[in-house]
Amino acid sequence: AQSVTQPDIHITVSEGASLELRCNYSYGATPYLFWYVQSPGQGLQLLLKYFSGDTLVQGIKGFEAEFKRSQSSFNLRKPSVHWSDAAEYFCAVVLATAGNKLTFGGGTRVLVKP
Amino acid sequence: EPEVTQTPSHQVTQMGQEVILRCVPISNHLYFYWYRQILGQKVEFLVSFYNNEISEKSEIFDDQFSVERPDGSNFTLKIRSTKLEDSAMYFCASSEDRTIYFGEGSWLTVV
Repeated sequence: AQSVTQPDIHITVSEGASLELRCNYSYGATPYLFWYVQSPGQGLQLLLKYFSGDTLVQGIKGFEAEFKRSQSSFNLRKPSVHWSDAAEYFCAVVLATAGNKLTFGGGTRVLVKP
Repeated sequence: EPEVTQTPSHQVTQMGQEVILRCVPISNHLYFYWYRQILGQKVEFLVSFYNNEISEKSEIFDDQFSVERPDGSNFTLKIRSTKLEDSAMYFCASSEDRTIYFGEGSWLTVV
């Protein structure tokens, strides 16, 4: 079945440490890929997206993500986490043949320790 | 920066009552959406809307739900007779291409 998986439900990281959030998808073709962040009490904010081209994409707030076709993955990274990065992060995909319907992963909640 | 705005931010309603959630999409966007997130579950697609009609809807979007663009700026989601299981965060979104921008959500609590 077609799906988006975020294997880690919770991640705790120390402030200043690096962060990597995993996302895998299972679709026949390469979908359009997105990462969104939801801070407490806030909506879904777009961090970055991948449609084609360079497989390493830069986003807002110092985040980047790398698309790896061979692994069907689109992992999100940040070299040095700030306390304000504590939030829930969602990977999402749109199939080229599925209009603009986003399918979301289950989310990863990031806790930042001082 | 343009943004999608939603009202109300939180609404509590009695089971069986009608609810209308309102959204103002980003002004030059042509595609509009509603998604929802039941507490502890994934964000789910409900419906997409383009050119004044529904372009796609999910199985969740049954006859109890309807959407409307009553004027040039608003986009509404109506739940005709709310059920307890309709309690969720409802997100409005808009796009002009494949990139979808979300509002801050409307928490709906059905009691």
